[in-house]
Amino acid sequence: GENVEQHPSTLSVQEGDSAVIKCTYSDSASNYFPWYKQELGKRPQLIIDIRSNVGEKKDQRIAVTLNKTAKHFSLHITETQPEDSAVYFCAASRHNQGGKLIFGQGTELSVKP
Amino acid sequence: DSGVTQTPKHLITATGQRVTLRCSPRSGDLSVYWYQQSLDQGLQFLIQYYNGEERAKGNILERFSAQQFPDLHSELNLSSLELGDSALYFCASSVIGDTTGELFFGEGSRLTVL
Repeated sequence: GENVEQHPSTLSVQEGDSAVIKCTYSDSASNYFPWYKQELGKRPQLIIDIRSNVGEKKDQRIAVTLNKTAKHFSLHITETQPEDSAVYFCAASRHNQGGKLIFGQGTELSVKP
Repeated sequence: DSGVTQTPKHLITATGQRVTLRCSPRSGDLSVYWYQQSLDQGLQFLIQYYNGEERAKGNILERFSAQQFPDLHSELNLSSLELGDSALYFCASSVIGDTTGELFFGEGSRLTVL
């Protein structure tokens, strides 16, 4: 079945450093890859997404890259700040498969001041 | 505020009992999704409804059922509850019928089964 593997499960960085979270997916027909941020006790919120016809997308300090051949996509956060501390989830889905947005297991990012 | 409303926020009940979780999607959104989040399982997709019809099913147990009403609100029914059903249940909504677009999550309903 569909599966999304996410690494690392925890990540600790110093403020100002970069953070990278990696995901691999199993369904080669997947064509949509969002990233959600979940702060402690809060709901998941979309921070960036990428579609399979694009290799990279950037939004200020956040970027996502996609390698369709390797079925691999990554989240890059530059110049990290304490407020970036949260759990980040990658996910994958494909068009016309309804609600089957398959999430990775999550990465707990801690940014130390 | 995402515009998705979930009630109740917290619920404590005993094994063997039945509970109903309610979700009101954002105004204009036709799709409602239910996700279960437990500590060791991440976000697990349960079921999706689109404009009143079941659209997709995930790893939803037979003891669980859901429906979407004509006013588009949805209810998730959990019966014969077990300790392992303790989790945070999220509802999300979107305008379109598939997930190749942003899902707006509610604040969740935390279920504790004792």
